[in-house]
Amino acid sequence: ETGVTQSPTHLIKTRGQQVTLRCSSQSGHNTVSWYQQALGQGPQFIFQYYREEENGRGNFPPRFSGLQFPNYSSELNVNALELDDSALYLCASSPYRGSEKLFFGSGTQLSVL
Amino acid sequence: KQEVTQIPAALSVPEGENLVLNCSFTDSAIYNLQWFRQDPGKGLTSLLLIQSSQREQTSGRLNASLDKSSGRSTLYIAASQPGDSATYLCAVWADTDKLIFGTGTRLQVFP
Repeated sequence: ETGVTQSPTHLIKTRGQQVTLRCSSQSGHNTVSWYQQALGQGPQFIFQYYREEENGRGNFPPRFSGLQFPNYSSELNVNALELDDSALYLCASSPYRGSEKLFFGSGTQLSVL
Repeated sequence: KQEVTQIPAALSVPEGENLVLNCSFTDSAIYNLQWFRQDPGKGLTSLLLIQSSQREQTSGRLNASLDKSSGRSTLYIAASQPGDSATYLCAVWADTDKLIFGTGTRLQVFP
């Protein structure tokens, strides 16, 4: 157990809808990263939040947005869902920015129909 | 643009065999390289982290090597066990905040 919890574990949405995924960081960790893992692929970096501010972003459109709260938990929001957004969304927390000690949650499996 | 490739994509071996999983990356300007394990329905677990100045790291039956100049890393698993069955992901730290992953090697070890 890594201490990083994600909710929900599974989600089904239809194209065009909006979705919010949640991540609770490991205690004491102030940095959260989100990754998207399509079936049969490696995870792809979406963005990272450090002390409630976005600290780096991968090649994802603006309809992917996030938040980090004062308790360092985080949300990933995706607007105008597309079929290709179907994937496993992984959250990882780390004790500080730039740390290589990443602790991953079990992910949220999103299916867009 | 950094790209990470893993070979083979899948591997099935009998228990007790020694294995080598391969990882290659296109840009040698990496911070570090990390190997992860992913079990079905679960997140990623870090196995080994190799600093860019290091050549190898060992943990138990696992040994990972890094050759930055040739853009290659290998993960060696000694005396494989059925419990080693999982997907193994290689990832490079392209900067201090972002990991770039390969597509993984799916390993099955049968009794």
